[in-house]
Amino acid sequence: QVQLVQSGAEVKAPGSSVRVSCKASGDTLTNYAISWVRQAPGQGLEWMGRIIPVPAIINYAQKFQGRVTFTADKSTNTAYMELTSLKSEDTAIYYCARVLTTYYESGLGYWGQGTQVTVSS
Amino acid sequence: SYVLTQPPSVSVAPGKTAKITCGGNNIGTKSVHWYQQKPGRAPLLVVYDDRDRPSGIPERFSGSNSGNTATLTINRVEAGDGADYYCQVWDSGSDHPGVFGGGTKVTVL
Repeated sequence: QVQLVQSGAEVKAPGSSVRVSCKASGDTLTNYAISWVRQAPGQGLEWMGRIIPVPAIINYAQKFQGRVTFTADKSTNTAYMELTSLKSEDTAIYYCARVLTTYYESGLGYWGQGTQVTVSS
Repeated sequence: SYVLTQPPSVSVAPGKTAKITCGGNNIGTKSVHWYQQKPGRAPLLVVYDDRDRPSGIPERFSGSNSGNTATLTINRVEAGDGADYYCQVWDSGSDHPGVFGGGTKVTVL
């Protein structure tokens, strides 16, 4: 079955960058739209953006424009999210999520386990 | 950008029915997806495209969507259904396509 496994927890200094990976097994990750969602402590889910393999579109939520980059590596079946200029408010759990079907706006049917990113001096 | 409004909390006795609403402007013209999240866990898709259930989700979970309100209904509520529930839509063509509601905490009494 499809599984998404994310990289481990990170502690970063303010102003630095973090890259989170999301490796898929059980199917070809890059055939599906992948979203990145974060959740600050005690807060709700916040959509950061998505990468749609066909027709090769990347949407970034306006809030993160200029600070976030999504990439995908077909050879390793892995997606990546890089967030730069980190602030304390970026402390959160970051999730990758894949749509359930090949339709890019299906529900997010598969989720990684989450990666805790802590921004602290 | 598009806004989804959920009640912060819903309480329900075991065996009864819980209804969680998700309000949005003409949400009936969009496909609504619902997620369950338990503490320390990743979200789980329980209903997609308004009323379809992924494999493995009990029939007790159902959805509807019309006008300005979508609803997730949990029949014969069990203790294990206590969790946070989020609605989500894709606002195609906007600069912020992915939209989540604020979440509803379901407490089983």
